[in-house]
Amino acid sequence: AQTVTQSQPEMSVQEAETVTLSCTYDTSESDYYLFWYKQPPSRQMILVIRQEAYKQQNATENRFSVNFQKAAKSFSLKISDSQLGDAAMYFCAYRSGNTDKLIFGTGTRLQVFP
Amino acid sequence: NAGVTQTPKFRILKIGQSMTLQCTQDMNHNYMYWYRQDPGMGLKLIYYSVGAGITDKGEVPNGYNVSRSTTEDFPLRLELAAPSQTSVYFCASNNPANTIYFGEGSWLTVV
Repeated sequence: AQTVTQSQPEMSVQEAETVTLSCTYDTSESDYYLFWYKQPPSRQMILVIRQEAYKQQNATENRFSVNFQKAAKSFSLKISDSQLGDAAMYFCAYRSGNTDKLIFGTGTRLQVFP
Repeated sequence: NAGVTQTPKFRILKIGQSMTLQCTQDMNHNYMYWYRQDPGMGLKLIYYSVGAGITDKGEVPNGYNVSRSTTEDFPLRLELAAPSQTSVYFCASNNPANTIYFGEGSWLTVV
């Protein structure tokens, strides 16, 4: 079975600084997708960034980028120029390309200080 | 656009009662999911469906049932509610490789 592990329950960063959130996963599949989601206090899940396993290039969305290390099964999220509005829970997620099962890690709570 | 709609938003159940959480999406997505999120925890997959008439168990299916008679609807049934089922429930939908859309959540308390 696939698993997603986020080893950092909480992280904090100063406004305008850079922070990296860690995510590792375990799978024997070759076809899968990886995601980072942001969950503010409203509890709505917001897609931050996605990565297809077959793509070697790391995905980037404005201030958000990932470091996808397929061999190490690592998928970290880097937030540059952090803003107060980035404060939220961040979830790493894995979707199987074979079964379409979508599972999540336990989340990392990010605090941003002015 | 409505997206993914869940009802009810809040519900209090007594132990042993049954209820159905409704989920409807208007985006013609084949894939739909039900998750629960306990306080301070991540999302746990309960059931999912890859199309009408097809459902599969997720990580925590015990105590729940689902059906998928149409592409739009994916109701989650709780039989014999237990306090351990107190949680926030999220329905989601997507097509392969597309953005996943979540409903706003249903807060369920079992007393």
